[in-house]
Amino acid sequence: GQSLEQPSEVTAVEGAIVQINCTYQTSGFYGLSWYQQHDGGAPTFLSYNALDGLEETGRFSSFLSRSDSYGYLLLQELQMKDSASYFCAVRGGTGRRALTFGSGTRLQVQP
Amino acid sequence: GAGVSQSPSNKVTEKGKDVELRCDPISGHTALYWYRQSLGQGLEFLIYFQGNSAPDKSGLPSDRFSAERTGGSVSTLTIQRTQQEDSAVYLCASSPPASPQETQYFGPGTRLLVL
Repeated sequence: GQSLEQPSEVTAVEGAIVQINCTYQTSGFYGLSWYQQHDGGAPTFLSYNALDGLEETGRFSSFLSRSDSYGYLLLQELQMKDSASYFCAVRGGTGRRALTFGSGTRLQVQP
Repeated sequence: GAGVSQSPSNKVTEKGKDVELRCDPISGHTALYWYRQSLGQGLEFLIYFQGNSAPDKSGLPSDRFSAERTGGSVSTLTIQRTQQEDSAVYLCASSPPASPQETQYFGPGTRLLVL
């Protein structure tokens, strides 16, 4: 089966940098995705890594190491609006397109 | 353009009643997914439709849960004889054909409360 582990909560201050880690176990790895979800809102796609290395999209970057079954999401220049839950996800195994999500990391940005 | 829409946004029902939840995916998206999210938890996969292929039902928690997708577009998730543990947010997502980034576009969800 698939399983993902990520910290349950992270707190940081405005303007700071925060890293949210994710380790995974899966068969048939196809890539690691990150989603953001504000309270009461729908998850929205942030980034995707299929190959090792860093992907940068504005203030957000995502990193993957397939040999370590590990990835992280890096948020720079934190803003109050970044307070949300962040989920890592992998495809649900060989032949399955549906995603298996981690339990989420709740990020609280403080002034 | 229009995103994924779901109805109703909220549903309160009594234990033992049946409920139907509806999802309208983004036009042109061939894949449609249903997930369930309990309070403070991650998303739990329920069922996946891809074009005309047989759906992947491997995530459905019991035979009280079923889903269909008509005409390759709208989908309905039905829960029969609801139980209190069915209370959750039910999220629908769709994705376009040949989406290498596995990007899924989520609807706002239906919040189901079983009393």
